[in-house]
Amino acid sequence: DGGITQSPKYLFRKEGQNVTLSCEQNLNHDAMYWYRQDPGQGLRLIYYSQIVNDFQKGDIAEGYSVSREKKESFPLTVTSAQKNPTAFYLCASSISRGQRGETQYFGPGTRLLVL
Amino acid sequence: SQKIEQNSEALNIQEGKTATLTCNYTNYSPAYLQWYRQDPGRGPVFLLLIRENEKEKRKERLKVTFDTTLKQSLFHITASQPADSATYLCALLVDSSYKLIFGSGTRLLVRP
Repeated sequence: DGGITQSPKYLFRKEGQNVTLSCEQNLNHDAMYWYRQDPGQGLRLIYYSQIVNDFQKGDIAEGYSVSREKKESFPLTVTSAQKNPTAFYLCASSISRGQRGETQYFGPGTRLLVL
Repeated sequence: SQKIEQNSEALNIQEGKTATLTCNYTNYSPAYLQWYRQDPGRGPVFLLLIRENEKEKRKERLKVTFDTTLKQSLFHITASQPADSATYLCALLVDSSYKLIFGSGTRLLVRP
C-alpha cells in the first residue's frame, strides 16, 4: 500500500516538554509539508521541504522544528516555545514542489493535546 | 488583505438534490484552484483541480467552475448521497508562490 503514515494518532504533551510527530511516505515524493488545523480555520503551513536535507519555514514556524534526513521521512518537533500547541497536525507530500498545481496527498493526522 | 472564504455554516440538503458550495477569494491571482474532501478526524483527500484558463471541470457527479472575474469557484455535487456528507475545502495555488492557501471549509450534510 502506498501512502503517508503519521504517528501517533493522539499525543499528549506536558508543559515544557518537546514532542515529536512522525510522518513517513512511500510514494517516492520529493516535497513534504506540515500543516496545523484548528477548529473553524483553514490549514496553515508550518514547514515544507522540497528535497532531502533542505526545508523552509511556512507561515507559522515559530515554536516548531523539522528535519529531512531521508526522502521518506519528515518529523515535526513541537517545542516548549510553542505556547498553544493543541491542534490537529497534518503531514502531506507531493511529487515535486516545482510542478505547478500538483496534488498534495495527506496523512491521517495527529491530534496533539496539552495536559 | 488577502482572503479566501468559504461559508462557515453547514449546508444541509436532501438526498438526491444538488449541493453547491462556494469559494470566494480576494487579492489573489491564483493559477490553480483545488477542492479537497475532509472527513472528521482524517486528512483531506484531493477531488478536483481547475486552472485559471478553464471555466469548468467535471468528474463523475462532481463539477467545479472557476470565474476569475468574480474571484469565485463553485463546487457542485449532483444526485447527492448521505455518503457525500463531509467538509469540503478549497485551496488556491498562487502563481508566484509554491504554497497552497486553504479555506476553512464548508460542512455538507446530506439527509437520507
